[in-house]
Parts: sequence; C-alpha cells; structure tokens
Amino acid sequence: SQKIEQNSEALNIQEGKTATLTCNYTNYSPAYLQWYRQDPGRGPVFLLLIRENEKEKRKERLKVTFDTTLKQSLFHITASQPADSATYLCALDLLSGNTPLVFGKGTRLSVIA
Amino acid sequence: EAQVTQNPRYLITVTGKKLTVTCSQNMNHEYMSWYRQDPGLGLRQIYYSMNVEVTDKGDVPEGYKVSRKEKRNFPLILESPSPNQTSLYFCASTRTGTNEKLFFGSGTQLSVL
Repeated sequence: SQKIEQNSEALNIQEGKTATLTCNYTNYSPAYLQWYRQDPGRGPVFLLLIRENEKEKRKERLKVTFDTTLKQSLFHITASQPADSATYLCALDLLSGNTPLVFGKGTRLSVIA
Repeated sequence: EAQVTQNPRYLITVTGKKLTVTCSQNMNHEYMSWYRQDPGLGLRQIYYSMNVEVTDKGDVPEGYKVSRKEKRNFPLILESPSPNQTSLYFCASTRTGTNEKLFFGSGTQLSVL
C-alpha cells in the first residue's frame, strides 16, 4: 500500500542549531513534494515545493532536498529560533488522474531557547 | 488580504441535525478542496472542485456533500452528522488546477454529540 512517513512525531532542538526533518515514502512516484507549517489550531501554511527533477530548494533559512532514489525528502531549518516551533507536514502529489494530495502526519518541532 | 475564510470556527451539534460549513476565497482561485484532520491520521481530502459546477470525491467523501455554484464559495454540507464526523475541518484553495501551494482556511472544529 502507499505510505508516507515523517521521521518522528516530535523533535526538540536547541536554539541556533539546524533542525532536520525527514519525509519518507514508499510505493509512490511523486511529481513534486511540498512542505507546510501548521501552528496549533490553525490551517497549514505553504512553505516550499520541490519537483522530481530538482535536488534542492532554498528559501531564507529553509532548505529542502528531494531524493527520488531514496524516496526521501529532508527539510532543514538553519539557525533555528523558538518562533520556528510548530508542526511541519510533508505532502506528495502524484499528478496522476484525480489522486488527492497525500499528507504525512507531521513532525512537531520545539526549538528551546 | 488574500485569504480563505471558513465559518463557523467552532460548532457543536447533535447527531442527525443537518449543518453547513461555509468556505470563501478572495483570490479568484479555480481549485478548492475540503480536508479533515484527525489525531494520528493526518489530513485527508474529502471533496475537491476544479472549477464552478465541477466537484469530485477525495479520499473520505462518505457522509459529506459539496457544491460549487460560484467560483469563490465551496460549502461543505453534512446532511445527517454522526459522531465519527467529529473532526477539525479545513478548506483550501489554489490558483492552478493542481494541488500546488494550497492556501488553507483557519479551520472549523466540529463536535457531533
């Protein structure tokens, strides 16, 4: 069956360090992968999108990589701050017919001052 | 300000009492969709709409109806709510006909007693 997993439910990290979140998938061939941020009680907010033919994307302190051989995406936040504390979701789109976007369950990141 | 507006924010109802959750976007987006979010299950798509008068089922459509009579509005209808529909609901929209860069509403927390 198709499956998408984010490495851990929760991740604690010291302020100033780089946070690395993992998204692994099986039995998919996604056209692209997206990362969203979700704060408690709020809707997800789009952060980055990376396509299958791209290896890396950056936006300010954020970086995402996409390895279609390993079936894995890594999401990095450099120089992390307490304000980065949130749940981060990865999402895959197969661009195949009417398949909906498939979301991972998220990793709750806590940046400790 | 570009936004997706959902109402109500919180709703408590009883089994069998029909309800509607409204969703409106001011970005002239063609694509709109509804998701539910449950602990341990992540975000799952209920219905989506590629354009006016065009709707289709997502992953978990049972017990829900939608309509798309105008481009900006995409209400979610529960004809006979049941307790297993207690969940956090999100409406989302995007400019393109794909699932790229979704804009999410703030969510509707529904409790069916």
